[in-house]
Amino acid sequence: AQSVTQPDIHITVSEGASLELRCNYSYGATPYLFWYVQSPGQGLQLLLKYFSGDTLVQGIKGFEAEFKRSQSSFNLRKPSVHWSDAAEYFCAVGAPGAGTALIFGKGTTLSVSS
Amino acid sequence: GAVVSQHPSWVICKSGTSVKIECRSLDFQATTMFWYRQFPKQSLMLMATSNEGSKATYEQGVEKDKFLINHASLTLSTLTVTSAHPEDSSFYICSAREGTGNPKNIQYFGAGTRLSVL
Repeated sequence: AQSVTQPDIHITVSEGASLELRCNYSYGATPYLFWYVQSPGQGLQLLLKYFSGDTLVQGIKGFEAEFKRSQSSFNLRKPSVHWSDAAEYFCAVGAPGAGTALIFGKGTTLSVSS
Repeated sequence: GAVVSQHPSWVICKSGTSVKIECRSLDFQATTMFWYRQFPKQSLMLMATSNEGSKATYEQGVEKDKFLINHASLTLSTLTVTSAHPEDSSFYICSAREGTGNPKNIQYFGAGTRLSVL
């Protein structure tokens, strides 16, 4: 069955420290992969996406993610976290070439301490 | 970038009344839109897939007579919660898939609608 796992429910990082949010997926083929961020009471904003090619993708707000096929992972990273990065982060997978809905992980809440 | 507008952002209604939520793609056409429901501190649960000009496809367990979806144009889908009850209180989010022939399945999300049923 297709699924997305975000092992960390809640992570606290000091401002200025590096961040890595984990995402593992189970899919029949190589899916399209996405990271979204959601601020409280808001919709989802697309941070970055992976379709093919270079396995290290750059996104907005200084985020990047690396696709590792052997590990079925698509971890999100940021070298230096800002207080404004505190939010809920969702990893999602989508079927290539199809108008299907995305499958979301349960999300990771990021708190940033000063 | 592609913008999806969702309206209203917050609605309070009495039990038994109906509420309509609109989802518009402002600067692109979307043959497919999706409706999600999100409970507090949880992920998004797909409710239905809305296709322009045809009937929506509902996920298992979602009452299609309660959650009416209409996708009358390439830029507008509506979700009507009929005879709302307190258990329908939730955060509803729509997304729109960019392009009629989008092979990459990029979806853009609305800001969500907080529904509170008294």
